Amino acid sequence: DTGVSQDPRHKITKRGQNVTFRCDPISEHNRLYWYRQTLGQGPEFLTYFQNEAQLEKSRLLSDRFSAERPKGSFSTLEIQRTEQGDSAMYLCASSLGRRGASTDTQYFGPGTRLTVL
Amino acid sequence: GESVGLHLPTLSVQEGDNSIINCAYSNSASDYFIWYKQESGKGPQFIIDIRSNMDKRQGQRVTVLLNKTVKHLSLQIAATQPGDSAVYFCAENSFGNQFYFGTGTSLTVIP
Repeated sequence: DTGVSQDPRHKITKRGQNVTFRCDPISEHNRLYWYRQTLGQGPEFLTYFQNEAQLEKSRLLSDRFSAERPKGSFSTLEIQRTEQGDSAMYLCASSLGRRGASTDTQYFGPGTRLTVL
Repeated sequence: GESVGLHLPTLSVQEGDNSIINCAYSNSASDYFIWYKQESGKGPQFIIDIRSNMDKRQGQRVTVLLNKTVKHLSLQIAATQPGDSAVYFCAENSFGNQFYFGTGTSLTVIP
């Protein structure tokens, strides 16, 4: 058990609807990441937060996707006007963010599986 | 047993044998690598990491080898157990906090 939790674990929605996922990182971790994973593939980076600041965004993150981490603790990922191609597992990870360390080990949550009908 | 992650994504080994999972990474500037294990329905689980200033790192029953000359990473699992059955991903980092994951290798341990 890594300590990162995600909610919901499964979401089924109809095309065109908006969905929001939540991630609670390990409590002392400053950094939080979102990834998308499709069947048979490795996770693809979407975005990264250092505390409440969103510092990196992938080109995969279209304008229908928005992520927030308002208080530097939990984060939400919203997808507007969902499309069938958005069906995937959405993974959240967190890392300690040690001072002076440009990168550090990311610990993943169980993911939210999204199915868009 | 041995596999090349991108070309032979499935590896089957007998319980008790050693497993070798290979990964060819793409960016010569990558300087930090992680192996993750992912079981069905779960998120990836950290196994072991290595930085580019090392060639080898050992953990409990696992060893990671890094060959920067040919951009190759391998994960060796000693005395493979049924609980080791999962998909294994290598992830590379070269800049910032973006990690790039390989396709993965599915390991099946035969009792």
